Amino acid sequence: EAQVTQNPRYLITVTGKKLTVTCSQNMNHEYMSWYRQDPGLGLRQIYYSMNVEVTDKGDVPEGYKVSRKEKRNFPLILESPSPNQTSLYFCASRGPSINQPQHFGDGTRLSIL
Amino acid sequence: GQQLNQSPQSMFIQEGEDVSMNCTSSSIFNTWLWYKQDPGEGPVLLIALYKAGELTSNGRLTAQFGITRKDSFLNISASIPSDVGIYFCAGRAPDSWGKLQFGAGTQVVVTP
Repeated sequence: EAQVTQNPRYLITVTGKKLTVTCSQNMNHEYMSWYRQDPGLGLRQIYYSMNVEVTDKGDVPEGYKVSRKEKRNFPLILESPSPNQTSLYFCASRGPSINQPQHFGDGTRLSIL
Repeated sequence: GQQLNQSPQSMFIQEGEDVSMNCTSSSIFNTWLWYKQDPGEGPVLLIALYKAGELTSNGRLTAQFGITRKDSFLNISASIPSDVGIYFCAGRAPDSWGKLQFGAGTQVVVTP
């Protein structure tokens, strides 16, 4: 089954404690992306990757890092999480054509205390 | 940056009624997408539109790509309880390298 898998699904942690949210897709997609979803703001792009070792900032990259060492994986790293990063995070992927729609994971709810 | 305005923010409707929502952009898009998000899940693609004026249906859902390329609407006919969820529009600008802009979402609640 084609899918985008995120882990963990839920995490409560404290300010300053580094965390990583993993994202893996089994569709051999080139393009992967991270979004955060906040009430009334829809989905805002954090980082995206056009292919292995190619990443770029989205609209709200501050406080986040990503890496793309393998095609299937695109982890999101919060080196020093802060309460304003409490949010619902989604990873997405799509094939090489920009016209192809993105497939989303089921989300990771992060709470930073 | 580009602004996507999605309205209404929420809708409370009775089962069997039709639903209509729309998105407008401050600049032109080459692609409009409509997603639905159920609680605890990620957005799922409903309809994709790639040409100005295009009208596409998916079961009881119909979406149109506005001829100005700055708007799109989604209609749901004869709503049923499982239509409950948040509906998002998303658009891709010509020079955006595939980056999507999302609307803030329309929360649909269907009462029996």
